Amino acid sequence: NAGVTQTPKFRILKIGQSMTLQCAQDMNHNYMYWYRQDPGMGLKLIYYSVGAGITDKGEVPNGYNVSRSTTEDFPLRLELAAPSQTSVYFCASTYTNSYNEQFFGPGTRLTVL
Amino acid sequence: KQEVTQIPAALSVPEGENLVLNCSFTDSAIYNLQWFRQDPGKGLTSLLLIQSSQREQTSGRLNASLDKSSGRSTLYIAASQPGDSATYLCAVRPWVRSGGSNYKLTFGKGTLLTVNP
Repeated sequence: NAGVTQTPKFRILKIGQSMTLQCAQDMNHNYMYWYRQDPGMGLKLIYYSVGAGITDKGEVPNGYNVSRSTTEDFPLRLELAAPSQTSVYFCASTYTNSYNEQFFGPGTRLTVL
Repeated sequence: KQEVTQIPAALSVPEGENLVLNCSFTDSAIYNLQWFRQDPGKGLTSLLLIQSSQREQTSGRLNASLDKSSGRSTLYIAASQPGDSATYLCAVRPWVRSGGSNYKLTFGKGTLLTVNP
């Protein structure tokens, strides 16, 4: 299994541009998450999904959108990029059994200039 | 609102030393607690997960304990090695009244560990 994969690894955007961060998992996990990690601030939840077709907001959803058309994929869309969205973005997934261990992707480092 | 605190923010130790990393949380109604390791520029790797009904979990040189009533967890690393240098994060998953968990984690800010040869 590849686990949780994310593309791209790095990206530089200009203010006002848009992009989609890709996330995929091959573990048949039903829950998927997007976090952002800022220096010294820990991880903040942006959006999460409990299954295909179902998404919900986390702590910091403004400026982002998500969709979940399949169990495997959970892309994060940035519209009108702003410098405040400069961060490292992590995708994660978990299976809703009694253990609920969360698995993370390698991250996407995004800079908005 | 659940808050997770990790102290110290940074720790530097000589190789071979045993050490303890601390994690505290404000709401004891948790489903489980998970310890992660993060290497510079990398993602998070799960180290140990403790269910709310458990007191500790062990994996190799790592031992994590949980005292839910006092809102504390510790990660004990025995015989530290330079390869243990990384940031260690703890995260808690809440227990909700409807039963089970809402599957969302609240993270601490991490402890940056440096093990010197």
